[in-house]
Amino acid sequence: EAGVAQSPRYKIIEKRQSVAFWCNPISGHATLYWYQQILGQGPKLLIQFQNNGVVDDSQLPKDRFSAERLKGVDSTLKIQPAKLEDSAVYLCASRLLAGGADTQYFGPGTRLTVL
Amino acid sequence: GQQLNQSPQSMFIQEGEDVSMNCTSSSIFNTWLWYKQEPGEGPVLLIALYKAGELTSNGRLTAQFGITRKDSFLNISASIPSDVGIYFCAGPNYGGSQGNLIFGKGTKLSVKP
Repeated sequence: EAGVAQSPRYKIIEKRQSVAFWCNPISGHATLYWYQQILGQGPKLLIQFQNNGVVDDSQLPKDRFSAERLKGVDSTLKIQPAKLEDSAVYLCASRLLAGGADTQYFGPGTRLTVL
Repeated sequence: GQQLNQSPQSMFIQEGEDVSMNCTSSSIFNTWLWYKQEPGEGPVLLIALYKAGELTSNGRLTAQFGITRKDSFLNISASIPSDVGIYFCAGPNYGGSQGNLIFGKGTKLSVKP
Protein backbone atom coordinates (compact mmCIF):
# COMPACT_ATOMS: atom_id res chain seq x y z
CA GLU A 1 0.00 0.00 0.00
CA ALA A 2 1.41 3.36 -1.02
CA GLY A 3 1.89 5.90 1.76
CA VAL A 4 1.01 9.56 1.94
CA ALA A 5 2.76 11.44 -0.86
CA GLN A 6 3.85 15.06 -0.60
CA SER A 7 5.58 17.43 -2.98
CA PRO A 8 7.80 19.26 -3.24
CA ARG A 9 10.11 17.90 -0.54
CA TYR A 10 11.97 21.19 -0.21
CA LYS A 11 11.15 24.78 -1.10
CA ILE A 12 13.08 27.99 -0.62
CA ILE A 13 11.34 31.31 -1.22
CA GLU A 14 11.72 34.93 -0.26
CA LYS A 15 9.33 36.62 2.12
CA ARG A 16 6.17 37.98 0.57
CA GLN A 17 6.28 35.32 -2.16
CA SER A 18 3.61 32.66 -2.54
CA VAL A 19 4.05 28.91 -2.23
CA ALA A 20 1.86 25.82 -2.58
CA PHE A 21 2.25 22.30 -1.25
CA TRP A 22 0.52 19.18 -2.52
CA CYS A 23 -0.58 16.05 -0.68
CA ASN A 24 -2.00 12.78 -1.92
CA PRO A 25 -3.34 10.69 0.98
CA ILE A 26 -3.51 6.93 1.22
CA SER A 27 -6.16 5.62 -1.15
CA GLY A 28 -9.57 5.50 0.46
CA HIS A 29 -8.67 7.64 3.47
CA ALA A 30 -11.50 10.04 4.15
CA THR A 31 -9.74 12.29 6.66
CA LEU A 32 -6.79 14.49 5.73
CA TYR A 33 -4.75 16.74 7.99
CA TRP A 34 -2.17 19.46 7.41
CA TYR A 35 0.32 20.10 10.20
CA GLN A 36 3.03 22.72 10.67
CA GLN A 37 6.20 21.57 12.44
CA ILE A 38 8.61 24.31 13.46
CA LEU A 39 12.17 23.23 14.23
CA GLY A 40 12.38 21.82 17.74
CA GLN A 41 8.62 21.50 18.12
CA GLY A 42 6.02 18.84 17.65
CA PRO A 43 3.56 19.02 14.75
CA LYS A 44 0.74 21.54 15.15
CA LEU A 45 -2.55 20.99 13.35
CA LEU A 46 -3.47 23.61 10.77
CA ILE A 47 -6.56 22.13 9.14
CA GLN A 48 -8.57 18.91 9.02
CA PHE A 49 -10.69 17.73 6.09
CA GLN A 50 -13.36 15.05 6.06
CA ASN A 51 -13.74 14.07 2.41
CA ASN A 52 -13.92 17.48 0.69
CA GLY A 53 -15.27 19.44 3.65
CA VAL A 54 -13.36 21.37 6.30
CA VAL A 55 -13.88 19.93 9.79
CA ASP A 56 -11.49 22.12 11.77
CA ASP A 57 -9.48 25.12 10.59
CA SER A 58 -9.40 26.96 13.91
CA GLN A 59 -5.59 27.10 13.97
CA LEU A 60 -5.11 28.07 10.34
CA PRO A 61 -3.87 31.68 9.87
CA LYS A 62 -6.55 32.47 7.35
CA ASP A 63 -5.16 35.87 6.40
CA ARG A 64 -2.32 34.13 4.55
CA PHE A 65 -2.95 30.36 4.58
CA SER A 66 -5.55 28.52 2.54
CA ALA A 67 -6.20 24.87 1.79
CA GLU A 68 -8.55 22.90 -0.37
CA ARG A 69 -9.48 19.32 -1.08
CA LEU A 70 -11.86 19.78 -3.96
CA LYS A 71 -12.53 16.17 -4.98
CA GLY A 72 -12.04 14.65 -1.56
CA VAL A 73 -8.76 13.05 -2.51
CA ASP A 74 -5.59 15.12 -2.86
CA SER A 75 -5.15 18.48 -1.18
CA THR A 76 -3.24 21.72 -1.64
CA LEU A 77 -2.01 24.06 1.09
CA LYS A 78 -1.07 27.60 0.03
CA ILE A 79 0.72 30.44 1.77
CA GLN A 80 0.33 33.92 0.32
CA PRO A 81 2.31 36.01 1.18
CA ALA A 82 4.92 34.07 3.13
CA LYS A 83 6.60 35.44 6.26
CA LEU A 84 9.91 34.49 7.82
CA GLU A 85 8.12 32.71 10.67
CA ASP A 86 6.45 30.34 8.18
CA SER A 87 9.76 28.48 7.81
CA ALA A 88 8.87 24.97 8.94
CA VAL A 89 8.11 21.45 7.77
CA TYR A 90 4.55 21.06 6.51
CA LEU A 91 3.25 17.57 7.13
CA CYS A 92 0.22 15.96 5.59
CA ALA A 93 -1.47 13.01 7.29
CA SER A 94 -4.46 10.86 6.47
CA ARG A 95 -6.76 8.52 8.33
CA LEU A 96 -9.22 5.95 7.07
CA LEU A 97 -12.18 6.92 9.21
CA ALA A 98 -13.48 9.95 11.01
CA GLY A 99 -13.14 10.13 14.75
CA GLY A 100 -10.64 8.45 17.02
CA ALA A 101 -7.19 9.72 17.81
CA ASP A 102 -4.91 7.06 16.44
CA THR A 103 -3.67 5.66 13.19
CA GLN A 104 -2.86 8.88 11.38
CA TYR A 105 -0.35 8.13 8.65
CA PHE A 106 2.07 10.95 7.94
CA GLY A 107 3.81 11.89 4.72
CA PRO A 108 7.50 12.85 4.61
CA GLY A 109 6.72 16.56 4.71
CA THR A 110 7.73 19.63 2.74
CA ARG A 111 10.54 21.67 4.28
CA LEU A 112 9.90 25.38 3.62
CA THR A 113 12.60 27.98 4.09
CA VAL A 114 11.54 31.64 3.87
CA LEU A 115 14.43 34.07 3.39
CA GLY B 1 -5.01 25.33 26.61
CA GLN B 2 -3.79 21.77 26.68
CA GLN B 3 -0.05 21.26 26.89
CA LEU B 4 2.18 18.22 26.75
CA ASN B 5 5.57 18.39 28.42
CA GLN B 6 8.17 15.84 27.45
CA SER B 7 11.39 15.06 29.28
CA PRO B 8 14.20 14.85 28.80
CA GLN B 9 14.56 17.11 25.75
CA SER B 10 17.49 15.06 24.51
CA MET B 11 19.44 11.95 25.44
CA PHE B 12 22.88 10.70 24.44
CA ILE B 13 23.34 7.05 25.27
CA GLN B 14 25.58 4.13 24.48
CA GLU B 15 24.32 1.28 22.35
CA GLY B 16 22.88 -1.44 24.55
CA GLU B 17 21.63 0.92 27.27
CA ASP B 18 18.00 1.18 28.28
CA VAL B 19 16.13 4.44 27.71
CA SER B 20 13.25 5.99 29.60
CA MET B 21 11.31 9.13 28.69
CA ASN B 22 8.05 10.59 29.88
CA CYS B 23 5.27 12.95 28.99
CA THR B 24 2.95 14.91 31.26
CA SER B 25 -0.26 16.69 30.43
CA SER B 26 -2.04 19.67 31.91
CA SER B 27 -5.32 17.77 31.55
CA ILE B 28 -6.61 14.23 31.72
CA PHE B 29 -6.29 12.14 28.55
CA ASN B 30 -8.18 9.01 27.54
CA THR B 31 -5.63 8.15 24.86
CA TRP B 32 -1.86 8.40 24.76
CA LEU B 33 0.15 7.93 21.59
CA TRP B 34 3.88 7.62 21.05
CA TYR B 35 5.43 8.49 17.69
CA LYS B 36 8.97 8.32 16.33
CA GLN B 37 10.25 10.75 13.70
CA GLU B 38 13.46 10.14 11.78
CA PRO B 39 15.26 12.89 9.85
CA GLY B 40 13.43 13.87 6.69
CA GLU B 41 10.42 11.74 7.49
CA GLY B 42 7.01 12.18 9.05
CA PRO B 43 6.16 10.74 12.48
CA VAL B 44 5.34 7.04 12.67
CA LEU B 45 3.03 5.64 15.34
CA LEU B 46 4.83 3.27 17.72
CA ILE B 47 2.34 2.54 20.47
CA ALA B 48 -1.22 3.59 21.32
CA LEU B 49 -2.61 3.44 24.88
CA TYR B 50 -6.31 3.62 25.70
CA LYS B 51 -6.72 2.75 29.40
CA ALA B 52 -5.30 4.11 32.65
CA GLY B 53 -2.62 1.78 33.93
CA GLU B 54 -2.28 0.03 30.56
CA LEU B 55 1.15 -1.31 29.69
CA THR B 56 1.80 -2.10 26.03
CA SER B 57 4.89 -3.44 24.30
CA ASN B 58 6.07 -3.29 20.71
CA GLY B 59 9.29 -5.25 20.43
CA ARG B 60 11.89 -3.52 22.61
CA LEU B 61 9.54 -0.61 23.27
CA THR B 62 7.18 -0.49 26.22
CA ALA B 63 4.77 2.33 27.01
CA GLN B 64 2.55 2.86 30.01
CA PHE B 65 -0.59 4.94 30.52
CA GLY B 66 -0.17 6.63 33.91
CA ILE B 67 -2.72 6.00 36.64
CA THR B 68 -3.46 9.71 37.00
CA ARG B 69 -4.24 9.79 33.25
CA LYS B 70 -2.04 12.88 33.05
CA ASP B 71 1.19 11.11 32.18
CA SER B 72 2.75 8.40 30.08
CA PHE B 73 6.13 6.72 29.86
CA LEU B 74 8.08 5.15 27.03
CA ASN B 75 10.95 2.76 27.64
CA ILE B 76 13.35 1.33 25.08
CA SER B 77 15.41 -1.66 26.12
CA ALA B 78 18.85 -2.54 24.77
CA SER B 79 19.05 0.45 22.43
CA ILE B 80 20.52 0.09 18.95
CA PRO B 81 21.74 2.75 16.48
CA SER B 82 18.49 2.65 14.49
CA ASP B 83 16.61 3.87 17.57
CA VAL B 84 18.00 7.33 16.78
CA GLY B 85 15.26 9.87 16.19
CA ILE B 86 12.82 12.16 17.93
CA TYR B 87 10.12 10.57 20.06
CA PHE B 88 6.86 12.45 20.44
CA CYS B 89 3.98 11.85 22.76
CA ALA B 90 0.55 12.90 21.54
CA GLY B 91 -2.99 12.95 22.78
CA PRO B 92 -6.47 14.08 21.76
CA ASN B 93 -7.00 17.79 21.34
CA TYR B 94 -10.22 18.23 23.28
CA GLY B 95 -10.49 21.78 22.07
CA GLY B 96 -10.61 20.64 18.46
CA SER B 97 -12.58 18.21 16.34
CA GLN B 98 -12.65 14.50 17.06
CA GLY B 99 -9.48 12.86 15.88
CA ASN B 100 -7.28 15.93 16.26
CA LEU B 101 -4.02 15.49 18.12
CA ILE B 102 -1.68 17.68 20.12
CA PHE B 103 1.99 16.78 20.31
CA GLY B 104 4.75 17.32 22.83
CA LYS B 105 8.01 18.95 21.80
CA GLY B 106 9.78 15.62 21.56
CA THR B 107 12.73 13.79 23.09
CA LYS B 108 15.71 13.57 20.77
CA LEU B 109 17.57 10.29 21.15
CA SER B 110 21.16 9.80 20.03
CA VAL B 111 22.78 6.37 20.27
CA LYS B 112 26.54 5.94 20.15
CA PRO B 113 27.63 2.62 18.67
